[in-house]
Amino acid sequence: NAGVMQNPRHLVRRRGQEARLRCSPMKGHSHVYWYRQLPEEGLKFMVYLQKENIIDESGMPKERFSAEFPKEGPSILRIQQVVRGDSAAYFCASSPQRDTEAFFGQGTRLTVV
Amino acid sequence: QKEVEQNSGPLSVPEGAIASLNCTYSDRVSQSFFWYRQYSGKSPELIMSIYSNGDKEDGRFTAQLNKASQYVSLLIRDSQPSDSATYLCAVIRGSGGSNYKLTFGKGTLLTVNP
Repeated sequence: NAGVMQNPRHLVRRRGQEARLRCSPMKGHSHVYWYRQLPEEGLKFMVYLQKENIIDESGMPKERFSAEFPKEGPSILRIQQVVRGDSAAYFCASSPQRDTEAFFGQGTRLTVV
Repeated sequence: QKEVEQNSGPLSVPEGAIASLNCTYSDRVSQSFFWYRQYSGKSPELIMSIYSNGDKEDGRFTAQLNKASQYVSLLIRDSQPSDSATYLCAVIRGSGGSNYKLTFGKGTLLTVNP
């Protein structure tokens, strides 16, 4: 059973470009969470999605950030017009139910130059 | 008051000793508790979950939960250098619509010295 798959593992973008981060949950998991981790800081919740629905996006900046989890295909975290402050590790996690163990993918390290 | 608090460490123990990691949480209605291990530059890895008061053992790891004191701990017996990592405490609140959001502490850096 494959784990949570994220790609790309490393992403370099110039300021003003768009970044697209992908996450395929574990088989049988329909709940997806995105977290951001800045250097020397903890994991910060960004958004929680189920198939075709955004349940909670309270941790995501109102501007430039969006997320989706379509009926078919991976969950996408999109960051438009990236700035240097967006440089961080972005982790996706999935769970089979909403209040149980969540398993993390390998993360995408975004560097904005 | 922070939702989930951990001593940032570093906590240094000799090989073979017991490492004790502590975590407190502020939301009294929290129901689910997890410990993750994160090696430098890697992703968090789930090592223990605990849902009811008392102890839960899995190999060299024991999680302890005391809901009255809002305290959860992780004991690592016979510590090995490979246990050197940051340990993250995570909590799911149990009230209403928020019972899905994993809230993390900042983590405790553990170093096991050979």
